[in-house]
Amino acid sequence: IAGITQAPTSQILAAGRRMTLRCTQDMRHNAMYWYRQDLGLGLRLIHYSNTAGTTGKGEVPDGYSVSRANTDDFPLTLASAVPSQTSVYFCASSLSGSADTQYFGPGTRLTVL
Amino acid sequence: GQNIDQPTEMTATEGAIVQINCTYQTSGFNGLFWYQQHAGEAPTFLSYNVLDGLEEKGRFSSFLSRSKGYSYLLLKELQMKDSASYLCAVVNSNYQLIWGAGTKLIIKP
Repeated sequence: IAGITQAPTSQILAAGRRMTLRCTQDMRHNAMYWYRQDLGLGLRLIHYSNTAGTTGKGEVPDGYSVSRANTDDFPLTLASAVPSQTSVYFCASSLSGSADTQYFGPGTRLTVL
Repeated sequence: GQNIDQPTEMTATEGAIVQINCTYQTSGFNGLFWYQQHAGEAPTFLSYNVLDGLEEKGRFSSFLSRSKGYSYLLLKELQMKDSASYLCAVVNSNYQLIWGAGTKLIIKP
């Protein structure tokens, strides 16, 4: 079934630990995105990639890194987690990095203690 | 700065009509999206407007006025399954989506 998958579904993490959230799409979309969603706030863009091999910073990139080695995968890494990174993380993809519709994965609920 | 405003919460009755408003101030404009998000789930695409006017899609319609920085989502013949949050997002000059905080719609029988 075509779509976007994310792993893990949820995670509780001790502060200071390293964590990688995984995202894979099989729609052959060129652009991929990582957002965080916090109560009372809109989705905020962390990092994006318009095509394999390139990445860019969004609105809230500090403390996060990404890589885009191929079209399908776009992992998000928290090098040293802090409690303020407790959030729901959504990965999304679109055909291109312009005004194309973005399709979202099911999300990862991350708690940093 | 860039800003998207929508009401935090609205309540409507099953079978009725509801209009959810969205006003925006962004650096450039390349279109406006509406997404639906049920609690605990991912946002799903509802509509996209880039030109002024009304786009109708079944029970849902979306309107855009670029000169007023204004859009609304109109939901007709409300059903209980329409209880969800509705997110407004604007594509800015960098082709990034700027998201509103969402409007939680509660449908009562």
